Amino acid sequence: GAVVSQHPSWVICKSGTSVKIECRSLDFQATTMFWYRQFPKQSLMLMATSNEGSKATYEQGVEKDKFLINHASLTLSTLTVTSAHPEDSSFYICSARFGTPVSEQYFGPGTRLTVT
Amino acid sequence: EDQVTQSPEALRLQEGESSSLNCSYTVSGLRGLFWYRQDPGKGPEFLFTLYSAGEEKEKERLKATLTKKESFLHITAPKPEDSATYLCAVPDSGNTPLVFGKGTRLSVIA
Repeated sequence: GAVVSQHPSWVICKSGTSVKIECRSLDFQATTMFWYRQFPKQSLMLMATSNEGSKATYEQGVEKDKFLINHASLTLSTLTVTSAHPEDSSFYICSARFGTPVSEQYFGPGTRLTVT
Repeated sequence: EDQVTQSPEALRLQEGESSSLNCSYTVSGLRGLFWYRQDPGKGPEFLFTLYSAGEEKEKERLKATLTKKESFLHITAPKPEDSATYLCAVPDSGNTPLVFGKGTRLSVIA
């Protein structure tokens, strides 16, 4: 149980274009979903937190107009990187949680984004 | 100030050589400490949650323990397939997303 999927697993896009990443909780309803990014050999950095039907809460320094998050249902959240630039190239990982605020987060397999 | 500090940054073990990884935290009123394993190019895989000092949990060759200031992940007789980065995390305030340490990169050599 507690499986989270992400699609696509990797994507290459040209500078200036937008790319959407989907995150789904397959066997549970996620009360909250999180988006992280990870640079090589570094730890996970939280980008934003979203609850179903509510606007996402972004961490300091994360541009909300650049990284659009939509949590349309209890099983689906999307991250759209708008007008991507090479510095946006990274490993993006979503995470989902069900139950109480203090409970395990389950992670997706990640999406490798490369902007050329 | 970092809330979660992991040591060592990297650890190289021979197969069968037991050792421990450390995770120290500075949050007050701990509401849980979480251990994850991450393989290269993959998302973290949940291992354990510990809620109170003195608590221990085991899974195969791994045992996690918790004190009031730190947690240890003990690896007994490791195998090469235990090679990974091990992350610990604690809940932040507010909406309580997990805050991660920088991890310990474990390499087990046959």
